[in-house]
Amino acid sequence: GIQVEQSPPDLILQEGANSTLRCNFSDSVNNLQWFHQNPWGQLINLFYIPSGTKQNGRLSATTVATERYSLLYISSSQTTDSGVYFCAVEGGSGNTGKLIFGQGTTLQVKP
Amino acid sequence: DGGITQSPKYLFRKEGQNVTLSCEQNLNHDAMYWYRQDPGQGLRLIYYSQIVNDFQKGDIAEGYSVSREKKESFPLTVTSAQKNPTAFYLCASSIRSSYNEQFFGPGTRLTVL
Repeated sequence: GIQVEQSPPDLILQEGANSTLRCNFSDSVNNLQWFHQNPWGQLINLFYIPSGTKQNGRLSATTVATERYSLLYISSSQTTDSGVYFCAVEGGSGNTGKLIFGQGTTLQVKP
Repeated sequence: DGGITQSPKYLFRKEGQNVTLSCEQNLNHDAMYWYRQDPGQGLRLIYYSQIVNDFQKGDIAEGYSVSREKKESFPLTVTSAQKNPTAFYLCASSIRSSYNEQFFGPGTRLTVL
């Protein structure tokens, strides 16, 4: 099945810094989503981005499907950005909707 | 308010007991999913349902059972056959399965004593 690798596994930033999180996947995908998991465990949808570029405030994402990677950019980071960021993909045939998750990037933003 | 609700938030179970986790959505979504998350890990699919009265096993279905009698409800039963049930359980839904954005509920933390 599809493998999803996220890097870096851990990231510590000073408030105001920018960062780039990467997601590599091993096969073509039907769907790619980025999530932020807050300290209470809730998964917040950031982007639905199987291809192309999207922006939402200080966050933006780019997926290059032909090269099998996606990037999540966080600019001017704030302490509230802390948490775990997951990339998840749906791929292959069968149309199940099943998402395969990466291991996540744990971000800590220090004041 | 449209969304996905899960209950209870925390659940404690003795070994050998079955427990049922609730998941309800009022988004009029056809597809619903159950995922499990272990500490420091990503999520793994337990079961999914693409339409009412139909459901399929995911990657880690052993020791779990589900039903889908109503469009808005997809309860998960953790049976005594599940060897390591202590985990965080998340329910999700999408308009239809495949090629659609999934949205998640707040989760249920299950602890087996």
